[in-house]
Amino acid sequence: AQSVAQPEDQVNVAEGNPLTVKCTYSVSGNPYLFWYVQYPNRGLQFLLKYITGDNLVKGSYGFEAEFNKSQTSFHLKKPSALVSDSALYFCAVRDIDTNAGKSTFGDGTTLTVKP
Amino acid sequence: GAGVSQSPSNKVTEKGKDVELRCDPISGHTALYWYRQSLGQGLEFLIYFQGNSAPDKSGLPSDRFSAERTGGSVSTLTIQRTQQEDSAVYLCASSNRQGSYEQYFGPGTRLTVT
Repeated sequence: AQSVAQPEDQVNVAEGNPLTVKCTYSVSGNPYLFWYVQYPNRGLQFLLKYITGDNLVKGSYGFEAEFNKSQTSFHLKKPSALVSDSALYFCAVRDIDTNAGKSTFGDGTTLTVKP
Repeated sequence: GAGVSQSPSNKVTEKGKDVELRCDPISGHTALYWYRQSLGQGLEFLIYFQGNSAPDKSGLPSDRFSAERTGGSVSTLTIQRTQQEDSAVYLCASSNRQGSYEQYFGPGTRLTVT
């Protein structure tokens, strides 16, 4: 079985400050990990992914995420938040060893960046 | 096409009527997924296709919901005898089996049952 948890429903940060959106996962085998973003009144967009290799992955819009196998985490980070980063963020996991046909999504975290 | 397309973009229907929602995935993507999202909340998985077969139908809420995919491309999600609780945004996504499986989402169909 595979599952993902986003422990914070809401994250508030001030513009220019670093931001972190947390994600932890559970899989039987090895994970593929993803972050998606949904801007207001827009569709879901793929942001970044961890497949293998370097634990720090970089994605669109200056976002990055760090894969931590021992802590089973994949937190999303950005060094300096922008008001335009305000959106709903989803973490997702896929267990590559069980050949599961789908990814499991977290419940989402609403990020609000205040000027 | 360049992206996943869905039609209609909006659908208002009366309680008890049947509706069909269409998804056209990215060309060449073998996997196709349907989700439901209520009021900007989380994604509720409905069904997954690999080619024309559906290995995982576990998310379909009731037997009023069905989906099919033909020619390994277009998929249709059908809701029979719609209820007000079916009101939501229905999202379709596709992904490439050969690769790292990130999903590309369509714009969604907003269904309102009155």
